[in-house]
Amino acid sequence: SQKIEQNSEALNIQEGKTATLTCNYTNYSPAYLQWYRQDPGRGPVFLLLIRENEKEKRKERLKVTFDTTLKQSLFHITASQPADSATYLCAPLGSTGGFKTIFGAGTRLFVKA
Amino acid sequence: DVKVTQSSRYLVKRTGEKVFLECVQDMDHENMFWYRQDPGLGLRLIYFSYDVKMKEKGDIPEGYSVSREKKERFSLILESASTNQTSMYLCASSSKLSGGAYGYTFGSGTRLTVV
Repeated sequence: SQKIEQNSEALNIQEGKTATLTCNYTNYSPAYLQWYRQDPGRGPVFLLLIRENEKEKRKERLKVTFDTTLKQSLFHITASQPADSATYLCAPLGSTGGFKTIFGAGTRLFVKA
Repeated sequence: DVKVTQSSRYLVKRTGEKVFLECVQDMDHENMFWYRQDPGLGLRLIYFSYDVKMKEKGDIPEGYSVSREKKERFSLILESASTNQTSMYLCASSSKLSGGAYGYTFGSGTRLTVV
């Protein structure tokens, strides 16, 4: 069955450093991969999407890579700030546009001042 | 500001009660979804709808039903609430035309406790 793995352990980093989060998937060939941010007690918020034919995508301090050979996406936050502390979810989706999108359980990021 | 609104943030119900969770979106999205989120398990899809009066089962539909009588409204019904349905429930919508390119828009969630 399709499986998505994100680090269940929290990631603790110092302000100003680059945070790197990993999303691995198996038994799946997604056409897109989305990343979301979720704050405690709130719904996830869409951050960005990368397509299978894109190796890298950037949006402000965010950078996402997508390696379909390794079946992995990396999510980077450069110059991290305490306000970046949240849980980050990845969600691969198929070419139909995500009728049954599967979400990873997320990785909690803590950025210390 | 576009939005998905869930009727309640917190809800406490008794075992055996019929529970209605309401979700309304103002983006004219075709697709709407209900997920539940539990610690360590991520979001699990309960039901989704891609058009008015249309519904499809997700991964964990047992014990739930849905209703979509109008495009903007998608209701989740717990026929007879049980304690294992205590969870955070999240409604989301997306545009069929964008094919997921703009992601899902989620509501703030309803934390349901069944006692």
